Amino acid sequence: NAGVMQNPRHLVRRRGQEARLRCSPMKGHSHVYWYRQLPEEGLKFMVYLQKENIIDESGMPKERFSAEFPKEGPSILRIQQVVRGDSAAYFCASSPRTGGNEKLFFGSGTQLSVL
Amino acid sequence: DQQVKQNSPSLSVQEGRISILNCDYTNSMFDYFLWYKKYPAEGPTFLISISSIKDKNEDGRFTVFLNKSAKHLSLHIVPSQPGDSAVYFCAASVVGDNDMRFGAGTRLTVKP
Repeated sequence: NAGVMQNPRHLVRRRGQEARLRCSPMKGHSHVYWYRQLPEEGLKFMVYLQKENIIDESGMPKERFSAEFPKEGPSILRIQQVVRGDSAAYFCASSPRTGGNEKLFFGSGTQLSVL
Repeated sequence: DQQVKQNSPSLSVQEGRISILNCDYTNSMFDYFLWYKKYPAEGPTFLISISSIKDKNEDGRFTVFLNKSAKHLSLHIVPSQPGDSAVYFCAASVVGDNDMRFGAGTRLTVKP
């Protein structure tokens, strides 16, 4: 039973380019969360999605960032016109349901480096 | 807005001794707390949790203590082993909410 799969593991982009990060949740999980970890900081919640729905995007920057979880395929976190400050580790997590007391299963993360 | 704080960025302990990792929170609405462990180049993995109706939860070598009045929780590892060396994240949530808040992490090093 494969865990949460994220790809790519490492992504290098130049300023102004687009970054697309993919996440396939664990089998049977319909809830996906994206977190960002900046250097020397903890994990910061970005967005929570269910299939075809954004449930909570209160942690997403207002511009350049978007996320989707289509009916078929992985969840995508998209960052347009990347800047150096976007360099971070982006972690995806999934759970079978929500409720605040559900432990999350994390992927190995995508390390985004913006040159 | 750092609602979950881990004030010790690192901790070094001798093998066989007790490791105590601390976490403080500011939001009195939090009612579920978790500890995650993270090795380099891997995602965090769930370690142990505790509900606010309890003050202690034990799982093998790992015990989490919750002091609601002080808004403080701690993770005890005894005896510590070199394989426990990792970054430990404290997390807190409100049941029914979507946002799990994480601390900045404490890097534990267990020396042989």
